[in-house]
Amino acid sequence: RKEVEQDPGPFNVPEGATVAFNCTYSNSASQSFFWYRQDCRKEPKLLMSVYSSGNEDGRFTAQLNRASQYISLLIRDSKLSDSATYLCVVYRGSNYKLTFGKGTLLTVNP
Amino acid sequence: GAGVSQSPSNKVTEKGKDVELRCDPISGHTALYWYRQSLGQGLEFLIYFQGNSAPDKSGLPSDRFSAERTGGSVSTLTIQRTQQEDSAVYLCASSVSTDTQYFGPGTRLTVL
Repeated sequence: RKEVEQDPGPFNVPEGATVAFNCTYSNSASQSFFWYRQDCRKEPKLLMSVYSSGNEDGRFTAQLNRASQYISLLIRDSKLSDSATYLCVVYRGSNYKLTFGKGTLLTVNP
Repeated sequence: GAGVSQSPSNKVTEKGKDVELRCDPISGHTALYWYRQSLGQGLEFLIYFQGNSAPDKSGLPSDRFSAERTGGSVSTLTIQRTQQEDSAVYLCASSVSTDTQYFGPGTRLTVL
């Protein structure tokens, strides 16, 4: 089983739609969790951290369920500019590296 | 402020040649990481530096790959005798705390 698994996508949605991405991780010792965004031919950029209590940043809501080892990202009222690949990222702590899912491509259509 | 910079942005080389990729981290960031991203694949960890030492080299795919960091700043990733399967985007990241990492724009390596 891969350490971080995401919905394979791609997702094609109209502007204004709500879209949800799911992610599972295999190592229960994982400490920190993130969503990164990667635009085509660009570097990944931190979108938001994910906290156990759930957290929101504008139109974006992230949730973590440690018992199920499940992470989600919800985007409300999607914009054309949200089109990108969304990467689920896990930090285990003991070896410093981030472990990335393969990403889910989102295309928001006019 | 200045972010992570990498050079060259693109590198085309012939199979069997050596290449050097450079990363200049954000000033004051003690941790530096190299990753690579192959077409259609996720990011793959290569090596981690804390200061000038590399406590984790577990991701280097073969002994053709090496990296060093000097002065706690600039890092160089060297690939010797390049192979076609080395073609990928090589990304460098730096951080103060080890979980929040900031990425450079990457070097796109093409081995012909």
